[in-house]
Amino acid sequence: GPKVLQIPSHQIIDMGQMVTLNCDPVSNHLYFYWYKQILGQQMEFLVNFYNGKVMEKSKLFKDQFSVERPDGSYFTLKIQPTALEDSAVYFCASSLARAANTEVFFGKGTRLTVV
Amino acid sequence: QQKVQQSPESLIVPEGGMASLNCTFSDRNSQYFWWYRQHSGEGPKALMSIFSNGDKKEGRFTAHLNKASLYVSLHIKDSQPSDSALYFCAVSHNYAQGLTFGLGTRVSVFP
Repeated sequence: GPKVLQIPSHQIIDMGQMVTLNCDPVSNHLYFYWYKQILGQQMEFLVNFYNGKVMEKSKLFKDQFSVERPDGSYFTLKIQPTALEDSAVYFCASSLARAANTEVFFGKGTRLTVV
Repeated sequence: QQKVQQSPESLIVPEGGMASLNCTFSDRNSQYFWWYRQHSGEGPKALMSIFSNGDKKEGRFTAHLNKASLYVSLHIKDSQPSDSALYFCAVSHNYAQGLTFGLGTRVSVFP
């Protein structure tokens, strides 16, 4: 079936440094998402992105976060600077349409550890 | 803010048995309900959706929705070892809004 690929699977970074998480969405999908899951907690919506713009973001999407997908390449989540509380698994997802009645496909996640 | 709670936290089911998973949500305006399944080392994958009150059956899986009671459930009939996974309930109240996930129920099916 359709796959969302996330690179890398694990990343360890020093607090205060910048990190970029990469996502290769399903090829014909138009809507892209990032979710964050802290160990032992719910997976929480961060942001969705369409046509080069952030369509919706949650309060977890801090000013230090940014997303982009330059010219159909990777959909990226950049955190600059990183903080200890950014340690989590970040899931990228994509869908054909934005509607909540449309299936969203998830990647395997990138485990980010900020030390 | 939407709260989605799942029970039980974990469930052990014999092969061939029935697994019943529960989910409650807090926002009465919730419209769209999904069950996602996540096998170890994988990302969550949509199992089924339900948008109208009542039951929806897809193979061995049956979802039940009661919006007035703020409740949705998933029943797995004739459970197989391959059904062993983490099951998430996910809810949205807005046509275009991001999903709110529960903490999940870990199902283990033993032969």
